[in-house]
Amino acid sequence: DAKTTQPNSMESNEEEPVHLPCNHSTISGTDYIHWYRQLPSQGPEYVIHGLTSNVNNRMASLAIAEDRKSSTLILHRATLRDAAVYYCILRDLDGSSNTGKLIFGQGTTLQVKP
Amino acid sequence: KAGVTQTPRYLIKTRGQQVTLSCSPISGHRSVSWYQQTPGQGLQFLFEYFSETQRNKGNFPGRFSGRQFSNSRSEMNVSTLELGDSALYLCASSWGQSSYNEQFFGPGTRLTVL
Repeated sequence: DAKTTQPNSMESNEEEPVHLPCNHSTISGTDYIHWYRQLPSQGPEYVIHGLTSNVNNRMASLAIAEDRKSSTLILHRATLRDAAVYYCILRDLDGSSNTGKLIFGQGTTLQVKP
Repeated sequence: KAGVTQTPRYLIKTRGQQVTLSCSPISGHRSVSWYQQTPGQGLQFLFEYFSETQRNKGNFPGRFSGRQFSNSRSEMNVSTLELGDSALYLCASSWGQSSYNEQFFGPGTRLTVL
């Protein structure tokens, strides 16, 4: 499985944008980039995913580099509720390995200061 | 729609005992996965079930087992508990088995082994 690298921790001020980076230099052509986050005392929750193009949803935006070796999760206006561990995960969509399995790295702990 | 539920939420056992944890997926979801979360190892995949069949297994000893029932509910069992089994056990469900499907996590069962 392809590996991702994320900074251990980041800080942000409330109401400011946050850019969470992820490196995945060994990504394959069939790997989707998924982001999950885990709020304190909760199970992880899905945030966003993409393949090649930038993606937006109500929670965040995902910017994917042209060579797909890195991506950035963007929270446009951080709130205190966004303080969580953010995980960048590659999921292979090759039909021969269909599985719900998620391989979590250490993730980035985001602190949001009021 | 109700989310993924896990019972019990907290459990204290002693070494050598066995334990059974339960997971009820979101209605209509047929895939259930289990994860172990510890401070040292992070989130690690245990196993995945789809239509009552184990489809994928993580790198855990045979003391860890699971099953899925016809109503998609799942249980995991840990026999001969060790101190190192103390962890948060998370269950996730998804509609299908595809790696494209978003995983929905429950709140977890906190197991403490004394």
